[in-house]
Amino acid sequence: DGGITQSPKYLFRKEGQNVTLSCEQNLNHDAMYWYRQDPGQGLRLIYYSQIVNDFQKGDIAEGYSVSREKKESFPLTVTSAQKNPTAFYLCASSTYYNEQFFGPGTRLTVL
Amino acid sequence: GESVGLHLPTLSVQEGDNSIINCAYSNSASDYFIWYKQESGKGPQFIIDIRSNMDKRQGQRVTVLLNKTVKHLSLQIAATQPGDSAVYFCAGNRKNNDMRFGAGTRLTVKP
Repeated sequence: DGGITQSPKYLFRKEGQNVTLSCEQNLNHDAMYWYRQDPGQGLRLIYYSQIVNDFQKGDIAEGYSVSREKKESFPLTVTSAQKNPTAFYLCASSTYYNEQFFGPGTRLTVL
Repeated sequence: GESVGLHLPTLSVQEGDNSIINCAYSNSASDYFIWYKQESGKGPQFIIDIRSNMDKRQGQRVTVLLNKTVKHLSLQIAATQPGDSAVYFCAGNRKNNDMRFGAGTRLTVKP
């Protein structure tokens, strides 16, 4: 059963803590993406990766970090430098220049 | 800068009527467009796409129209059903394979 998964579904963080959101895909897609969505807003690109061991900053990369050590995995770390991290985080993957497939999302709340 | 936006934030239609959701884009370098449907608390789902060498594409109950002259695309949903209630996003891809999303239109179907 192919798809893209994200975990956890809900995540709570204390101020000053780093947290890592997981994203895994078994679609054999080369490209993976992280988006942030705030209430009533569209999706904003945080980071994307076209290939293993390579990634690029999107529009709102400050306070976030990623790694792409495996084709299947693209974890996102929300660092303490991100001043307003409460949001819905979406991971996606695609083959080159085709539609992106999205995971179910992780809702992060800062306590 | 490049942007992809929606003309209306909300749209309310009667069940059985046709729905039309509009989207404008600013960068003529965008040559691949996608419509996504997002239900509350879930990741976006692909509906239909269109490339810039086309001006119309049809799917099951959905049609996307692309007018490159005025940089506008629309999504038409025929015989709108209660299950069509969601937020609809247009997205424009670019040759480096990242994507820009509009803020979305919330479609409400009245019984």
